[in-house]
Amino acid sequence: DAKTTQPPSMDCAEGRAANLPCNHSTISGNEYVYWYRQIHSQGPQYIIHGLKNNETNEMASLIITEDRKSSTLILPHATLRDTAVYYCIASDTGNQFYFGTGTSLTVIP
Amino acid sequence: DSGVTQTPKHLITATGQRVTLRCSPRSGDLSVYWYQQSLDQGLQFLIQYYNGEERAKGNILERFSAQQFPDLHSELNLSSLELGDSALYFCASSPGTGGVGSNQPQHFGDGTRLSIL
Repeated sequence: DAKTTQPPSMDCAEGRAANLPCNHSTISGNEYVYWYRQIHSQGPQYIIHGLKNNETNEMASLIITEDRKSSTLILPHATLRDTAVYYCIASDTGNQFYFGTGTSLTVIP
Repeated sequence: DSGVTQTPKHLITATGQRVTLRCSPRSGDLSVYWYQQSLDQGLQFLIQYYNGEERAKGNILERFSAQQFPDLHSELNLSSLELGDSALYFCASSPGTGGVGSNQPQHFGDGTRLSIL
């Protein structure tokens, strides 16, 4: 699975869009990009995943660059409850997920 | 609520002991995954079972073992416990086997917090 790189921390004002970047420059053609978040010590929560097209669901949008070397998770209107560690994972098997250190997002009132 | 149930939520025991953690997957999911999250190691994949058979193995110690039963629930057995085994243990489930080209997110339970005294 491709290695992913994320900034260790970010802040976002409440109500604004939170844009979380992820670099996966060695991603292969079969590897999907998955995003999870972990609030405090709860179980990781699935957010969204995609291969090459942009994806949107009720939680977030995923923008994948055309060369697939990077992606951005967008939380359109961040709330205090979105404060969490966000993990970006590249995987072509969907079984052994490698969670890195993620991005600690703090939403500021 | 992910639909994945883990018991117990908390477990406190002593070094050298053996414990069993239990996981019930989401309805319809055939794969169960176990992960360990400790302060210094982050979230690490341990092992996957699919429909009762071991499917993939990660950084699981020989003192640890798992199994998946016919009703698809899974148990993670940890023996000869050491202080360093103190961690959060998460179970996740997904519908299929995984494998190349797989396109399925895993859904996680809320974990069992294991404390070794």
